[in-house]
Amino acid sequence: KQEVTQIPAALSVPEGENLVLNCSFTDSAIYNLQWFRQDPGKGLTSLLLIQSSQREQTSGRLNASLDKSSGRSTLYIAASQPGDSATYLCAVKGGSEKLVFGKGTKLTVNP
Amino acid sequence: EAEVAQSPRYKITEKSQAVAFWCDPISGHATLYWYRQILGQGPELLVQFQDESVVDDSQLPKDRFSAERLKGVDSTLKIQPAELGDSAMYLCASSPGTGGRTGELFFGEGSRLTVL
Repeated sequence: KQEVTQIPAALSVPEGENLVLNCSFTDSAIYNLQWFRQDPGKGLTSLLLIQSSQREQTSGRLNASLDKSSGRSTLYIAASQPGDSATYLCAVKGGSEKLVFGKGTKLTVNP
Repeated sequence: EAEVAQSPRYKITEKSQAVAFWCDPISGHATLYWYRQILGQGPELLVQFQDESVVDDSQLPKDRFSAERLKGVDSTLKIQPAELGDSAMYLCASSPGTGGRTGELFFGEGSRLTVL
């Protein structure tokens, strides 16, 4: 059974700092990995999708990497802004073709 | 920009009552998912449809939950009777094509259920 872990559970940083969020998964036989952002009381917004054949994806200030063999992904946020404050969720799609989520990392960027 | 539509956004009900949630996926998306998210946790899959067929409902509490997607477009998730433990955010997502192995999921704003 696939399990997804996100560390840390919460992170507080000053504005302008570069930061890394971590995601690990137990079964490396995945098809893709997706990073989402969730604001309080809202749905999920897709940030980046990495296919199993890819090593990284970039969108603006966001960069996500994938190391399937070690079961890890990182989400790098450059020059963080208060508007980046949200919960970031990692999810993997494996053999069952359903998306399995971690519990998320709650990010607070202080002005 | 195309979005997944969900209603209602908020629902407060008493236990033992019936509730229903509606989802309209992005046009042309064949795969539709219902997820439940308890506060502080990641979403968990309840049911997955491919067109009008159920692909996975292994985590759906079938004694009280039902889901349908009759014409392969919009979908309804029903709970009857509601229990206190059903209080959660119910999220709908859709994915293009077969959804399958490589498809990206797009989520709606969710329906927040509070059972009193």
